Amino acid sequence: AQSVTQLDSHVSVSEGTPVLLRCNYSSSYSPSLFWYVQHPNKGLQLLLKYTSAATLVKGINGFEAEFKKSETSFHLTKPSAHMSDAAEYFCVVSDSGTSGTYKYIFGTGTRLKVLA
Amino acid sequence: SAVISQKPSRDICQRGTSLTIQCQVDSQVTMMFWYRQQPGQSLTLIATANQGSEATYESGFVIDKFPISRPNLTFSTLTVSNMSPEDSSIYLCSVLRSGGLNTEAFFGQGTRLTVV
Repeated sequence: AQSVTQLDSHVSVSEGTPVLLRCNYSSSYSPSLFWYVQHPNKGLQLLLKYTSAATLVKGINGFEAEFKKSETSFHLTKPSAHMSDAAEYFCVVSDSGTSGTYKYIFGTGTRLKVLA
Repeated sequence: SAVISQKPSRDICQRGTSLTIQCQVDSQVTMMFWYRQQPGQSLTLIATANQGSEATYESGFVIDKFPISRPNLTFSTLTVSNMSPEDSSIYLCSVLRSGGLNTEAFFGQGTRLTVV
């Protein structure tokens, strides 16, 4: 079985300061992990993905995430927040078909607020 | 990437009626998924719709309430039947591209349903 836990439902940072959005996962298989962003009234956009290659994954808009198997974590970071980063962020785990399915399991989401 | 068109983008419906949501993809895909995002919540998988077979429903979702059609490799519909205000949500169609570790999910813009 797979699950994903986003540890913070809301995060507030000041513009120009670092962003950390936390995600822990559980998977019986070698997981693929993703971060998606959802801006208000917009569709889901893929920020980055981990699929067993490099453990440090770089994504769009300056975001990156590090896969830590020993900690079962996949935290999302950005060195300097921008006002346009304010959105809902979802951590997602998938078994990428190793169990015969390609289900995406979504975390509960973290709403990022960026203060001027 | 995949271009996914969902119709309608939003609707306001009377309780007791049904609404059919359409999902059109710009190229053939094997696996399609329907998700529900209740207000302020994360995405929950309703069912997997593969062409040529019955849809597979997740726990808590049944065919009588959410019948799905998948007539070909580029199109699917989800019907929300006998609606109640609790069905007010965003419904999203998703498809998978490629395979194995390079599999990536793409999402439609969603259908925002309000039941009054």
